[in-house]
Amino acid sequence: QKEVEQDPGPLSVPEGAIVSLNCTYSNSAFQYFMWYRQYSRKGPELLMYTYSSGNKEDGRFTAQVDKSSKYISLFIRDSQPSDSATYLCAIQGGGGKLIFGQGTELSVKP
Amino acid sequence: EADIYQTPRYLVIGTGKKITLECSQTMGHDKMYWYQQDPGMELHLIHYSYGVNSTEKGDLSSESTVSRIRTEHFPLTLESARPSHTSQYLCASTPDGSGANVLTFGAGSRLTVL
Repeated sequence: QKEVEQDPGPLSVPEGAIVSLNCTYSNSAFQYFMWYRQYSRKGPELLMYTYSSGNKEDGRFTAQVDKSSKYISLFIRDSQPSDSATYLCAIQGGGGKLIFGQGTELSVKP
Repeated sequence: EADIYQTPRYLVIGTGKKITLECSQTMGHDKMYWYQQDPGMELHLIHYSYGVNSTEKGDLSSESTVSRIRTEHFPLTLESARPSHTSQYLCASTPDGSGANVLTFGAGSRLTVL
């Protein structure tokens, strides 16, 4: 069983929709929960990260962590075509090691 | 804007050739990493370095080697490329310290071995 599971999609939504991207993880010791965005032919870039449980909001993006369920989510409000990318969750364990999900490919149609 | 640079961006070579993928960063970061990324798969760590003259193998076994002679430079070398080495290679760096290990990635080097 993988330590981090992420549905690879692809996910296609119309412009303006609310997008929900999710990951599950297996190790309750994980502390930092990150979301990276990767455009085609580019490297991943950090969107946001959270520590422990709760929500964190940055503009149209909200990251949510539920440690009791070992479940993390990224919500995108009012999605735009420029949000079309692959979204990678990454979870940090002991020693700073990052474990990445497979990535979810998102397409926002005008 | 990312200050980590990878060259070449794209490389197509024949089996048996020696290749070096270059990675340089201008941020003074101590920690540098090489990841391998295949379509639909998670990023796999193949090498990392916590400073000059420090290199370690990552979770995914790789026939490549790395060196860290200067803080800003972390090249990856394949002595004899094979088709199984075809992949995207991503270099990343992060400053030393505790807390969240936030990586800055380069744009990647896409290698195709024929």
